[in-house]
Amino acid sequence: DARVTQTPRHKVTEMGQEVTMRCQPILGHNTVFWYRQTMMQGLELLAYFRNRAPLDDSGMPKDRFSAEMPDATLATLKIQPSEPRDSAVYFCASALQGTITEAFFGQGTRLTVV
Amino acid sequence: AQKITQTQPGMFVQEKEAVTLDCTYDTSDQSYGLFWYKQPSSGEMIFLIYQGSYDEQNATEGRYSLNFQKARKSANLVISASQLGDSAMYFCAMREGLEHRTGGFKTIFGAGTRLFVKA
Repeated sequence: DARVTQTPRHKVTEMGQEVTMRCQPILGHNTVFWYRQTMMQGLELLAYFRNRAPLDDSGMPKDRFSAEMPDATLATLKIQPSEPRDSAVYFCASALQGTITEAFFGQGTRLTVV
Repeated sequence: AQKITQTQPGMFVQEKEAVTLDCTYDTSDQSYGLFWYKQPSSGEMIFLIYQGSYDEQNATEGRYSLNFQKARKSANLVISASQLGDSAMYFCAMREGLEHRTGGFKTIFGAGTRLFVKA
């Protein structure tokens, strides 16, 4: 059963700490998206990658957020230092370029920064 | 610039009746795809239906159909025979560009509509 896997599912951390969220895209998918969902802003696209290269990270605060794909099976989103306003659900989604198809979402990481 | 507008923050529908969730979009691209996702209270995002900008027929998937009016730039979701399990947030999304475009494939989402199905 192919699915996008995100870890951790829940994370509570203190302000100022580093947070790393991980995503394993569906095997063979070459496009990976990071979204942030909050009550106020809804679903925001933070960044996306194709073939491990960042295509667009304009939605991501550059001073504290970074996104990488060390290899085709792992995408990471890092926040350093974290702030209470970063509290949100972070979704990873993957898709296959060249097919008109939906992006498959992971179950999300619920981040709470206190 | 891309933009997705869902004007209904919340909707109520009686069980077994049909309901239409509105979505309008704005893009200067000729090639794009429109999607609807369901997000139940458990939080996961579930794909429902897709419509391509060049598709001549409205997409259908079971009880879901997409009323695509290209000239009006609207892509409304119609759910027939509503069920209690349909109560959820529904998001309209758009992806600009097709595989022949470099730098495309960016998907943006509307604010969502919360649907309540009454027994």
